[in-house]
Amino acid sequence: DAGVIQSPRHEVTEMGQEVTLRCKPISGHDYLFWYRQTMMRGLELLIYFNNNVPIDDSGMPEDRFSAKMPNASFSTLKIQPSEPRDSAVYFCASSFVGVPYGYTFGSGTRLTVV
Amino acid sequence: AQTVTQSQPEMSVQEAETVTLSCTYDTSENNYYLFWYKQPPSRQMILVIRQEAYKQQNATENRFSVNFQKAAKSFSLKISDSQLGDTAMYFCAFMITYSGAGSYQLTFGKGTKLSVIP
Repeated sequence: DAGVIQSPRHEVTEMGQEVTLRCKPISGHDYLFWYRQTMMRGLELLIYFNNNVPIDDSGMPEDRFSAKMPNASFSTLKIQPSEPRDSAVYFCASSFVGVPYGYTFGSGTRLTVV
Repeated sequence: AQTVTQSQPEMSVQEAETVTLSCTYDTSENNYYLFWYKQPPSRQMILVIRQEAYKQQNATENRFSVNFQKAAKSFSLKISDSQLGDTAMYFCAFMITYSGAGSYQLTFGKGTKLSVIP
């Protein structure tokens, strides 16, 4: 099992550019979560999916953020246009609801917007 | 809404000693799970231990154990025989488990930075 795979590991972009973060969950997991981690706010849930359907996106900070899960093995988080305050580590995590062992996290994407 | 509070932003412990990290939470739910996650400098989030609220017995995983006090809504982590590799941020987290809004979401505390000193 390769775990949750996120790409890229690091991303540096200029303000105003579009940024796309990618995630491949663990096969068989039916929940997928996107979190953002900053020093000031800690770990914040942005959005989560169940069986590829978005369930709660109330944590998405603005309309500049969007997330999709076109199939069970792939999800994207897009920021358009990006701003310096979007700089953070973005984590994807997946879980199987049958027994809540907690999530398995990816290694995160460190986004820097300059 | 559920909240998780970790009152110790930073702690340090001598190698081979024992340290306890504190966590309190607030919820009106009765069925939930509690977790401790470790985040070393590599930033990978690693599950350390979990506790089911309906179980009175405290969970244990090798050198890691918890003291779960349901009535007090307290969930502390004890690390015995601390090792240099235990140096990391430790996050307490809470999950409700029913089919409704907010279910299966992890709510995290702000974390405790633990340094193990040689």
